[in-house]
Amino acid sequence: QKEVEQNSGPLSVPEGAIASLNCTYSDRGSQSFFWYRQYSGKSPELIMFIYSNGDKEDGRFTAQLNKASQYVSLLIRDSQPSDSATYLCAVSNMEYGNKLVFGAGTILRVKS
Amino acid sequence: KAGVTQTPRYLIKTRGQQVTLSCSPISGHRSVSWYQQTPGQGLQFLFEYFSETQRNKGNFPGRFSGRQFSNSRSEMNVSTLELGDSALYLCASSRPTSGHNEQFFGPGTRLTVL
Repeated sequence: QKEVEQNSGPLSVPEGAIASLNCTYSDRGSQSFFWYRQYSGKSPELIMFIYSNGDKEDGRFTAQLNKASQYVSLLIRDSQPSDSATYLCAVSNMEYGNKLVFGAGTILRVKS
Repeated sequence: KAGVTQTPRYLIKTRGQQVTLSCSPISGHRSVSWYQQTPGQGLQFLFEYFSETQRNKGNFPGRFSGRQFSNSRSEMNVSTLELGDSALYLCASSRPTSGHNEQFFGPGTRLTVL
């Protein structure tokens, strides 16, 4: 069983729609949850982080965390073609310092 | 504020050689972590350094090593290179607090082993 699981996609959404990306994790001791965006040939860019159960909004992005279900999600509202990228979910358990455990990533394609 | 920098950006080596990669963290950041990214295995944690000490290590052979200097800059070394070491090597820095720490990645070093 992988520690962090994501649907590899590709997830295709039309421009202006809401893209919903999901992630589950196995380590119940995880306390920190991150979403990174990675364009082809580039390094990962941190776009959202969430530490408490519930929703966290930042512009067009909303991260949702449910620790009981070990589930993290990222919603992208009003999706734009420039949002087309691979989205990586990462989790961290402070018991292991700053080690991030990544999912394989979900490819998002926003069609204009 | 300058971001994380990594040098060199690209590197071509042959099997059996060794390589040293360098990472300069964001100013004020004292934790540096290294990751390997390959198409087959994704992003995998190599090790983390904080205050010149290795704080955690991933599941990689001893050929992979690293160190951190007093100015928080870090280097990683791979000895006796194998074809499977071809990957994007990423370094990430964070400003450790008592709790959660967001990590910011550098542009990476693309290593090709022939």
